[in-house]
Amino acid sequence: DAMVIQNPRYQVTQFGKPVTLSCSQTLNHNVMYWYQQKSSQAPKLLFHYYDKDFNNEADTPDNFQSRRPNTSFCFLDIRSPGLGDAAMYLCATSRDRVAHRDEQFFGPGTRLTVL
Amino acid sequence: AQTVTQSQPEMSVQEAETVTLSCTYDTSESDYYLFWYKQPPSRQMILVIRQEAYKQQNATENRFSVNFQKAAKSFSLKISDSQLGDAAMYFCAYRSPFFGNEKLTFGTGTRLTIIP
Repeated sequence: DAMVIQNPRYQVTQFGKPVTLSCSQTLNHNVMYWYQQKSSQAPKLLFHYYDKDFNNEADTPDNFQSRRPNTSFCFLDIRSPGLGDAAMYLCATSRDRVAHRDEQFFGPGTRLTVL
Repeated sequence: AQTVTQSQPEMSVQEAETVTLSCTYDTSESDYYLFWYKQPPSRQMILVIRQEAYKQQNATENRFSVNFQKAAKSFSLKISDSQLGDAAMYFCAYRSPFFGNEKLTFGTGTRLTIIP
């Protein structure tokens, strides 16, 4: 089945130690998104890629970076995680940027714990 | 900027009964898209139903239907014949039609419990 896969599902890191979260998709979608979801809060978009075009949200901290080496993979890098970065990180895809009625397909998320 | 409000943090319903989840939003745009997503425990978020603002007819997907009131900026989700598998966090989301503003703006969610 076509899907969005996130690895690992659970990640523990230490304060200030860089960490990378991975997302892959078999849907061949052009757009990939990274959301941060803190406990009992709404998912918040960090950035998205339309193909290789990177789009950062204005309020996304510089501590968060992303890479998309090819259509299938996208990475979220947190350069120096703080305690406030503990959250669920959701990866999502959508077919195209202009098809606004299209749904976004979500991965199961990676829960990040910062010690 | 658009905002989405879900005023019910938690709801519960007896199995086989009907429940309505509320959502209101604020926007100055006349055309947009609204979605309800379901996030079961430890599983990925999936689309339940979508509504295009230019369509007056309320969307329906099997046991799920919406009551879309554009003037009131209200978009509630009705779940009929509730089943145990409906237990999840439900998020209402808004999406602008304009290129360069593709993000989904989510509400804070409603946790739905199904009582056997």
